[in-house]
Amino acid sequence: DVKVTQSSRYLVKRTGEKVFLECVQDMDHENMFWYRQDPGLGLRLIYFSYDVKMKEKGDIPEGYSVSREKKERFSLILESASTNQTSMYLCASSSIRSGVDYGYTFGSGTRLTVV
Amino acid sequence: KNEVEQSPQNLTAQEGEFITINCSYSVGISALHWLQQHPGGGIVSLFMLSSGKKKHGRLIATINIQEKHSSLHITASHPRDSAVYICAVRLIGTSGSRLTFGEGTQLTVNP
Repeated sequence: DVKVTQSSRYLVKRTGEKVFLECVQDMDHENMFWYRQDPGLGLRLIYFSYDVKMKEKGDIPEGYSVSREKKERFSLILESASTNQTSMYLCASSSIRSGVDYGYTFGSGTRLTVV
Repeated sequence: KNEVEQSPQNLTAQEGEFITINCSYSVGISALHWLQQHPGGGIVSLFMLSSGKKKHGRLIATINIQEKHSSLHITASHPRDSAVYICAVRLIGTSGSRLTFGEGTQLTVNP
């Protein structure tokens, strides 16, 4: 069964800390995404990557950075965590090859609380 | 205005009822996804559609490209179907297959 694995299910961090959220997929997907989900706002794209070392800003990149050194791993970094970054973070991967869309797979999510 | 609109926002049904959730979008798309999220849980992809109709168990998804509309139907609903259902579209011309999401429909099925 194909999987997207997020390293932590629940995380509590202090304001100002540097936070790393890790995501690993085992499907050899070229595209990977980080979203945050907040009540009443739905899913919002933070950053995505369509290849190793490639990244593009999504709709709300401020306060975040990303790293994709290997195809299977996409990391989200909160350089200096703030309370307004308390949220559910979801990683996803997808692939389109030779015109075939292999769809989206999501991770289980990381609920981050910044205190 | 959101490019993807879902209705209703909230839906309460009795076990056994037939349920329909609607999704309308305003721009050209190359694919539409229906996603399911249980409370506190991750998101599961139910269907990916670019035309016609797909069925999986008690779930049926249809899409009408000309009318820019899709529906998700649940037959013989069950309390375990209680979840948020999210419609998402891949817009034509977007890079990296990124999706645009509706705000979701909260479904509660009572026993």
